[in-house]
Amino acid sequence: EAQVTQNPRYLITVTGKKLTVTCSQNMNHEYMSWYRQDPGLGLRQIYYSMNVEVTDKGDVPEGYKVSRKEKRNFPLILESPSPNQTSLYFCASSSEGGFLVNEQFFGPGTRLTVL
Amino acid sequence: KQEVTQIPAALSVPEGENLVLNCSFTDSAIYNLQWFRQDPGKGLTSLLLIQSSQREQTSGRLNASLDKSSGRSTLYIAASQPGDSATYLCAVPRDYGGSQGNLIFGKGTKLSVKP
Repeated sequence: EAQVTQNPRYLITVTGKKLTVTCSQNMNHEYMSWYRQDPGLGLRQIYYSMNVEVTDKGDVPEGYKVSRKEKRNFPLILESPSPNQTSLYFCASSSEGGFLVNEQFFGPGTRLTVL
Repeated sequence: KQEVTQIPAALSVPEGENLVLNCSFTDSAIYNLQWFRQDPGKGLTSLLLIQSSQREQTSGRLNASLDKSSGRSTLYIAASQPGDSATYLCAVPRDYGGSQGNLIFGKGTKLSVKP
């Protein structure tokens, strides 16, 4: 089954404790990205990757890191989480990126709470 | 800068009613437009993708239209059912080139279909 998976689905942590949210897709997509969704603000892009070893900042990259060592995986790293990073996070992938975005497939989301 | 607006923010209708959800965007130079559905606490499911050269797309009881010149898209849901209750989001690719590009989302319309 074609899908984007994220782990963990739920996470409660404390300020400053490094964490990683994994994202994996099995559709051989070149393009992957991370979004956060907050009430009243909607979905905002954090980082994206056009292909392996190619990553770039989205609208709200501060406090986050990503890596793309393999085509299928695109982990999101919070080196020192803060309460303002409490949010619902989504990973997405598509076969094209940039202006020529094709249909995007989203993961189920990771609800993160930083105390 | 591309902006996407969805009105109304919430809509409640009785079961069986036909309804229209609206999406407007400020820059008509889009490559495509995508409609998504999001159930509470869940990820986004792609419903329809309309390419810029198309006027509409249909999937079952859903019909999406696109009018680039006026910067508008509508999602028509025929014979609504309680299972259609969800938040519906529209999204378009960013309006500037280079390697950066991704989806700009509206804030969604929360639909409630009452039995």
